[in-house]
Amino acid sequence: AQSVSQHNHHVILSEAASLELGCNYSYGGTVNLFWYVQYPGQHLQLLLKYFSGDPLVKGIKGFEAEFIKSKFSFNLRKPSVQWSDTAEYFCAVRAGTASKLTFGTGTRLQVTL
Amino acid sequence: EAEVAQSPRYKITEKSQAVAFWCDPISGHATLYWYRQILGQGPELLVQFQDESVVDDSQLPKDRFSAERLKGVDSTLKIQPAELGDSAMYLCASSLARGVGGYTFGSGTRLTVV
Repeated sequence: AQSVSQHNHHVILSEAASLELGCNYSYGGTVNLFWYVQYPGQHLQLLLKYFSGDPLVKGIKGFEAEFIKSKFSFNLRKPSVQWSDTAEYFCAVRAGTASKLTFGTGTRLQVTL
Repeated sequence: EAEVAQSPRYKITEKSQAVAFWCDPISGHATLYWYRQILGQGPELLVQFQDESVVDDSQLPKDRFSAERLKGVDSTLKIQPAELGDSAMYLCASSLARGVGGYTFGSGTRLTVV
């Protein structure tokens, strides 16, 4: 079965710092990849997704992610974080012909002023 | 923008009682998912429906959990009897077949078992 690893459990950054959150998955076939954000007390919101084509994907709120197939990775980046980016970030994968999403355990991002 | 509706938003129940959650997916979405998110963890799939049929319930604790989607539209997830370890956020999501076009999540039901 596929799995998703997010190695950074808790990240603390100062405002304007650059962000990179790691995501690795274990599945050798075709995948669709997603990053979701969950602000405190709110539901999961889609940041960006990769289905095919350009491996560099741009999402909402200045986020981007790069799919590196050889590394089974889909890391999330943002050049300059804001206090309002404080949230939990989840990487998810849809593998092969399956419909369901498999999520990582999440990374809690705390941005300080 | 279309939303996945879930109710109730919050539920507090005593151990050994029955509890039920409701989900109304986006119109036209044939696939419906129930996920459980324990505090500090990522969502885990409990059950997946394609129209009214269950296609994956491998992680559903069937001795106490049940789910139905009788007319292939809205769905109910039930727990009977509830246990302390069931305290979690229960999320419903929907999609077109095979996740085409992406997935939309509801706001969830926060269950606390006391």
